[in-house]
Amino acid sequence: EAGVAQSPRYKIIEKRQSVAFWCNPISGHATLYWYQQILGQGPKLLIQFQNNGVVDDSQLPKDRFSAERLKGVDSTLKIQPAKLEDSAVYLCASSPWSLDTQYFGPGTRLTVL
Amino acid sequence: AQSVTQLDSQVPVFEEAPVELRCNYSSSVSVYLFWYVQYPNQGLQLLLKYLSGSTLVESINGFEAEFNKSQTSFHLRKPSVHISDTAEYFCAVSRASGTYKYIFGTGTRLKVLA
Repeated sequence: EAGVAQSPRYKIIEKRQSVAFWCNPISGHATLYWYQQILGQGPKLLIQFQNNGVVDDSQLPKDRFSAERLKGVDSTLKIQPAKLEDSAVYLCASSPWSLDTQYFGPGTRLTVL
Repeated sequence: AQSVTQLDSQVPVFEEAPVELRCNYSSSVSVYLFWYVQYPNQGLQLLLKYLSGSTLVESINGFEAEFNKSQTSFHLRKPSVHISDTAEYFCAVSRASGTYKYIFGTGTRLKVLA
């Protein structure tokens, strides 16, 4: 079974630029999550989708971050404009249903200069 | 609101020695508890979880954790560690009902020394 795919693996941008991350969950998984993991901290949930609907986006900085999950499968997370404090690893995870084990992708390491 | 605390940021231990990684949580409702592991240059993966039933849960590679409701703890233990156990370990908690949200601890870096 293929795992969660994320791209790109690394991204370096300057502040005020825009960036987008892509995630392809495990086939058949209804729930998709985006996390932000700052160095030295645990993952922080940004947004959770159930199929193509948003279940929780309470910690998503909506003035600069946006996310969508088209047709309940792939998802993109966008930052516009980026700030220095957005430097982190962005993790995508999926699970068959919301209370089940989460399967994580390798993450995208974002550096904002 | 839930919270989870991992007091030890780093734990060095010699190979074949026992180890305990501590995790305490706070919640006003029933919770599910998880331990995830992140090996160097790899993604997070589930190590073990407690949803209900027996309070002692085990992983396939010799780790175990015990849910202690009175002490609000879910400590991770292994009686004899290997070099390959070197990794970062994250405790996570979620509500057992209602709005579902995972909260991760800050992680404990286990370094097994030869």
